[in-house]
Amino acid sequence: KAGVTQTPRYLIKTRGQQVTLSCSPISGHRSVSWYQQTPGQGLQFLFEYFSETQRNKGNFPGRFSGRQFSNSRSEMNVSTLELGDSALYLCASSLRPGTGAFMNTEAFFGQGTRLTVV
Amino acid sequence: GENVEQHPSTLSVQEGDSAVIKCTYSDSASNYFPWYKQELGKRPQLIIDIRSNVGEKKDQRIAVTLNKTAKHFSLHITETQPEDSAVYFCAARGSQGNLIFGKGTKLSVKP
Repeated sequence: KAGVTQTPRYLIKTRGQQVTLSCSPISGHRSVSWYQQTPGQGLQFLFEYFSETQRNKGNFPGRFSGRQFSNSRSEMNVSTLELGDSALYLCASSLRPGTGAFMNTEAFFGQGTRLTVV
Repeated sequence: GENVEQHPSTLSVQEGDSAVIKCTYSDSASNYFPWYKQELGKRPQLIIDIRSNVGEKKDQRIAVTLNKTAKHFSLHITETQPEDSAVYFCAARGSQGNLIFGKGTKLSVKP
């Protein structure tokens, strides 16, 4: 069973550009969450998608957006890149969103995309 | 807002000793607490988790304990080995479904 796949693994972009990252969840998993990991702030939640709908959003500016396709693959987009956006972007795959009766749902991470903004 | 505090931020032990990492969470509605291990340059890997209806869970050399009244949970690693060296993250699932992470503990096991 394939794990969570994120592409690309590394990206270097210039300030002001935009970037799109991709995440393919584990087969059969329908929930994809995105996290930003930095040395100073640790792992911070960006948003979660389930059945092509954004279910939950963290405290990030509107420059950060995402979407999910019918095959559960998800993309996140960052527009007007800033130096502070340099980070490891991780996606996590779950069978279902972790709410209600499914609050115990396990989440499995991809390898991440290392974004460097220069 | 929802918060998870993790201590210590760094921990150095001798091979064979035990290591304990402690976390405190703020959202009383949280009832799922996973632990992740992240080696340098690799993905966070789920190593163990505990649900709120359980006070303790063990898996070989790793154990987690949960005190819901005090909102504390801890990771215990016994007979540590050099390959246990990594950054460990605790997390609590918030009421909106997302995981809220502690800042991490860098564990170094010296041979």
